[in-house]
Amino acid sequence: DGGITQSPKYLFRKEGQNVTLSCEQNLNHDAMYWYRQDPGQGLRLIYYSQIVNDFQKGDIAEGYSVSREKKESFPLTVTSAQKNPTAFYLCASVRGGLGTEAFFGQGTRLTVV
Amino acid sequence: QQQVKQSPQSLIVQKGGISIINCAYENTAFDYFPWYQQFPGKGPALLIAIRPDVSEKKEGRFTISFNKSAKQFSLHIMDSQPGDSATYFCAARSSSGNTPLVFGKGTRLSVIA
Repeated sequence: DGGITQSPKYLFRKEGQNVTLSCEQNLNHDAMYWYRQDPGQGLRLIYYSQIVNDFQKGDIAEGYSVSREKKESFPLTVTSAQKNPTAFYLCASVRGGLGTEAFFGQGTRLTVV
Repeated sequence: QQQVKQSPQSLIVQKGGISIINCAYENTAFDYFPWYQQFPGKGPALLIAIRPDVSEKKEGRFTISFNKSAKQFSLHIMDSQPGDSATYFCAARSSSGNTPLVFGKGTRLSVIA
């Protein structure tokens, strides 16, 4: 089945630790995105990548880092510099060119303990 | 600056009634307006989308109304059912430059019997 796979579904982080969230897609989509979801805040863009080896900051990139070494993978690292990392993280992909529909993964819920 | 404003934040509708969610945008370069449906603990899924060359699009019980001059669009859910209870997000993007989707803050819909 084609789609986007995020892992893990739940993740617990101690204060001061870096953690990496995985996002893999087999849709052959060029563009991939990371959004953060907090109650009442909607989806806020963290980082996005239009093509392999290139990515841009979104609206709330501070405390996060990404890489795009392969077309199918776009991991997100939540660093210790992110002061309030507890949230639901969503990865999405869009076919390049005139592609419009964004396909989302099932999300990773990160909790700081 | 919030580019897409969505209202209401929450909505309670009787079974069989009409649910109406409104969104307004500011960027006249936006040319794609989707609505996403999200169930708890899941990623959003595309429900219906419209481009500004039409004023209305209907798919089953779901209808998007679009007013280009007012820069507003809305989702109507006819004959609302308890299974429609979810969070709904409007979004917008400009296909020029393949820019990311910008989301509203969401509306939590509860359909009660």
